[in-house]
Amino acid sequence: DTVLTQSPALAVSPGERVSISCRASEGVNSYMHWYQQKPGQQPKLLIYKASNLASGVPARFSGSGSGTDFTLTIDPVEADDTATYFCQQSWNDPPTFGGGTKLELK
Amino acid sequence: EVQLVESGGGLVQPGRSLKLSCAASGFTFSNYYMAWVRQAPTKGLEWVASITNSGGSTYYRDSVKGRFTISRDNAKSTLYLQMDSLRSEDTATYYCTRGRNWYFDFWGPGTMVTVSS
Repeated sequence: DTVLTQSPALAVSPGERVSISCRASEGVNSYMHWYQQKPGQQPKLLIYKASNLASGVPARFSGSGSGTDFTLTIDPVEADDTATYFCQQSWNDPPTFGGGTKLELK
Repeated sequence: EVQLVESGGGLVQPGRSLKLSCAASGFTFSNYYMAWVRQAPTKGLEWVASITNSGGSTYYRDSVKGRFTISRDNAKSTLYLQMDSLRSEDTATYYCTRGRNWYFDFWGPGTMVTVSS
């Protein structure tokens, strides 16, 4: 299975820019997607196919990358962005998720 | 508004069965792939199974093949997951999701399944 590696946690101040990385163990073309999960809630799609903003998602969120290295950027970060962020690839079978990056606000 | 509402979770003994349901509304159910994704307590996300819009093809992760069956009733806009021979490692919150080219654009609130004696 394709392993997706994310940093476990990040802490940033409101108003700053944050980049959350996801590295795949093998190429996934541009088929990388990003989700936000707040405590006690279901995940929510933010970005699909590396750089496409999902419906209703603020333009503060953006995605980039291809192949094996991908980045989710939030600029500027707001207090409401406290959550865990997961990447997911759908190029290789089976679809797999990263372990998640927990974003905390200082 | 797209809504997915799971039901059927609970506490079950190892080796027993459970059937999950997901009632969908707010979109044309028969036009979309659907999938189940699970999350063990304090763990990450894990794709479990998917089904095509017609129900003609199904896909499973290796660890549930032969034990779980995904199905759908398009007339009722309902997705199902029949889980047999349950193991402790199947303990998780199970999310019903709408699939789009193998990513998941809407998720239900989830239903908890606990496998324990």
